[in-house]
Amino acid sequence: AQSVSQHNHHVILSEAASLELGCNYSYGGTVNLFWYVQYPGQHLQLLLKYFSGDPLVKGIKGFEAEFIKSKFSFNLRKPSVQWSDTAEYFCAVMGWSSASKIIFGSGTRLSIRP
Amino acid sequence: DSGVTQTPKHLITATGQRVTLRCSPRSGDLSVYWYQQSLDQGLQFLIQYYNGEERAKGNILERFSAQQFPDLHSELNLSSLELGDSALYFCASSAITGTSGAGEQFFGPGTRLTVL
Repeated sequence: AQSVSQHNHHVILSEAASLELGCNYSYGGTVNLFWYVQYPGQHLQLLLKYFSGDPLVKGIKGFEAEFIKSKFSFNLRKPSVQWSDTAEYFCAVMGWSSASKIIFGSGTRLSIRP
Repeated sequence: DSGVTQTPKHLITATGQRVTLRCSPRSGDLSVYWYQQSLDQGLQFLIQYYNGEERAKGNILERFSAQQFPDLHSELNLSSLELGDSALYFCASSAITGTSGAGEQFFGPGTRLTVL
């Protein structure tokens, strides 16, 4: 079955700490991978995306993610978090076929202590 | 501002009623997606339309239906509402689907539905 797993439900960090949020997926075939962010009270926004090519992708606000095909993973990283990074982060996967539906993970809530 | 608009922003109604949520995609986007976000279920994909045709179906209840009109705006109809339908309903749009690059979606601000 197609699925996306985000094992960390709630992560609490202090400012300037490094961040890594896990994302593993189960999906047959070629995929596109995404990380979306939802700031408190706002809608989802695209943080970064992987379609093909270099497996290390850089997104907005200093975030990056690495696609490791052999591990079916697409972990999100940031070397030094800020209080403004407090948000919920969603990993998503979508296949290349025309009938593919996007599948979101359950989300990871990130709380940053000032 | 993502360019996706949704109306109304808030909706309060009673159990058993029917409501219609409206979404206008970004200019030029042919795909529209509907999602339900609640505290207990998280973000659930409901349904996708592409250029007026249903493209993919997710966890959408039979009491719910959607359509996409020739001008590409979409409506989500929720009927026989139950307390558990209270949630935030998001619409998203994307330019292309089914190819490399598909899936990048732009989300609207959402409609908060409260069923009393």
